[in-house]
Amino acid sequence: EIVMTQSPATLSVSPGERATLSCRASQSVRSYLAWYQQKPGQAPRLLIYGASTRATGIPARFSGSGSGTEFTLTISSLQSEDFAVYYCQHQETFGQGTKVEIK
Amino acid sequence: QVQLVQSGAEVKKPGASVKVSCKASGYTFNTYGISWVRQAPGQGLEWMGWTSANNGKINYVQKFQGRVTMTTDTSTSTAYMELRSLRSDDTAVYYCARDIATVTTNWFDPWGQGTLVTVSS
Repeated sequence: EIVMTQSPATLSVSPGERATLSCRASQSVRSYLAWYQQKPGQAPRLLIYGASTRATGIPARFSGSGSGTEFTLTISSLQSEDFAVYYCQHQETFGQGTKVEIK
Repeated sequence: QVQLVQSGAEVKKPGASVKVSCKASGYTFNTYGISWVRQAPGQGLEWMGWTSANNGKINYVQKFQGRVTMTTDTSTSTAYMELRSLRSDDTAVYYCARDIATVTTNWFDPWGQGTLVTVSS
């Protein structure tokens, strides 16, 4: 079973700054990785699939990169609505999440 | 727009069963499967399993096998997830999600709004 590990667990960022979130797979998953955003009391929302393709309606400040075992989600300039928990996913496995909080 | 609308919150006693529904709209229901994901309070996301919406195929996580049944009704574009022999640690929000699968990978989009299932004596 592939294990997805996200880091850091919590990321403190000021509005307008760049946020970089990491997701590591225990073995190669090629480019088969998705990212989701979850705000309190809401369902997750798809941001990125195929490691780097933005889902419909997702702002360009969200970008995904990586392949194999190392992946990154970058939020170029954090807006107030971006403070949330972010999960990576490969097939049936989710990472444990990274909480992006206001610094 | 593509939308999944789930049934309302449930409170169940230990040992009971719960059946959550997930009604799809905005797309041809039988062209995508439905996955079920749960989230215990304050915890992360746990995939429970998947059901096809056109041929009855299913794939359950081993830990739920024997306790869960996932079905679809194409006449009403609705998916169902039944969990039996409920325990307190089954208390969670249960989500359905459209499972967009290729030959090699999959992702979930969109998600239902979630159904809180509380198991308490």
